[in-house]
Amino acid sequence: GDSVTQMEGPVTLSEEAFLTINCTYTATGYPSLFWYVQYPGEGLQLLLKATKADDKGSNKGFEATYRKETTSFHLEKGSVQVSDSAVYFCALSDRDSNYQLIWGAGTKLIIKP
Amino acid sequence: DAGITQSPRHKVTETGTPVTLRCHQTENHRYMYWYRQDPGHGLRLIHYSYGVKDTDKGEVSDGYSVSRSKTEDFLLTLESATSSQTSVYFCAIRDSGNQPQHFGDGTRLSIL
Repeated sequence: GDSVTQMEGPVTLSEEAFLTINCTYTATGYPSLFWYVQYPGEGLQLLLKATKADDKGSNKGFEATYRKETTSFHLEKGSVQVSDSAVYFCALSDRDSNYQLIWGAGTKLIIKP
Repeated sequence: DAGITQSPRHKVTETGTPVTLRCHQTENHRYMYWYRQDPGHGLRLIHYSYGVKDTDKGEVSDGYSVSRSKTEDFLLTLESATSSQTSVYFCAIRDSGNQPQHFGDGTRLSIL
């Protein structure tokens, strides 16, 4: 079945550092890919999405490109801030699974001033 | 922000008591979901609905039931709460087709 694998955390960076959180997937169909963010004590927010190969999702300085050849959707940000500290979840959905979300385990990001 | 309201936001109750959590949406979305989130387990789907009176089980449905009598409301019931059901519960909604899910703020449930 479909699955999502993302890098384990916590990931600890200094403010203004470059961020990459790796996400790879396996899917039999043509999934849509998502990044969600969960700030402490809050619900999950959709951060960005991509629906087909080579699409780039972007929001709040974060970017991720749908790479079908490497089955990846890595999250990047050029200069992180303390306020980016949160848990980041990669997920996919496709028509074959009735658009149920398949989740990665989440990566906790800690940004130090 | 998607119009999703979960109630209550926090609840403490005792083992063996019934508990009902409510998810209310103002978006008129067809699909609604209940998840639980636990350390080390991420998000796990409990039940979901694809229309009024249309529901189905997720991966961790034992001990839970749901009802959807109106488009805007999706109720999750623990008939006889157990300590293993202590968790944070999230509701999500999704429009038809290939649209993302949007989440409520969660209900923190403690069963003593």
